Amino acid sequence: DQQVKQNSPSLSVQEGRISILNCDYTNSMFDYFLWYKKYPAEGPTFLISISSIKDKNEDGRFTVFLNKSAKHLSLHIVPSQPGDSAVYFCAASAGAAGNKLTFGGGTRVLVKP
Amino acid sequence: GAGVSQSPSNKVTEKGKDVELRCDPISGHTALYWYRQSLGQGLEFLIYFQGNSAPDKSGLPSDRFSAERTGGSVSTLTIQRTQQEDSAVYLCASSTDRVGAKNIQYFGAGTRLSVL
Repeated sequence: DQQVKQNSPSLSVQEGRISILNCDYTNSMFDYFLWYKKYPAEGPTFLISISSIKDKNEDGRFTVFLNKSAKHLSLHIVPSQPGDSAVYFCAASAGAAGNKLTFGGGTRVLVKP
Repeated sequence: GAGVSQSPSNKVTEKGKDVELRCDPISGHTALYWYRQSLGQGLEFLIYFQGNSAPDKSGLPSDRFSAERTGGSVSTLTIQRTQQEDSAVYLCASSTDRVGAKNIQYFGAGTRLSVL
């Protein structure tokens, strides 16, 4: 049973436009959410996170929105740049279970120049 | 400073052989995690070490998998009698794991294991 789902395996966007990546979760115990970016042959690198007590967190071109009632979060990248082309993973943790992360399956983003 | 280091970067082995994968966490990080990523999938939690506490082994898929962390630093993941379904990228992460805080995990580049 997948507790974190990224239903779009891929996304193509024009440079300069907005990229919107979506993530859904089922476990109501999750209280912290993260987005990681992964290039081929490299480990995931942390992008941005949000606590369940917030509904928005912004860091430069990256904004994460959390809708707890819908158990849904999204990552907005604006403006998108060619260097943003990578696989993006949504991850979640539950405080009672320590810091181990449950990951979604990833969304491959291609930013076209 | 140095990031999380994993070795080897690639490992090809024959079915039935044992393998050992190594992880050097970021200096000073008390928490260490192992995950694996099968082809086209997300990362799957395997095991978590936190300081001197007993490890959380809840993600290990079978008793062929084991891990240890010596001296609170380097960790070794051992897979005995490897099977073809063990083929995956094995990723190690570490974090400061401050009590009561949410901690970002920093990942190594992984070990790509291929079982023939």
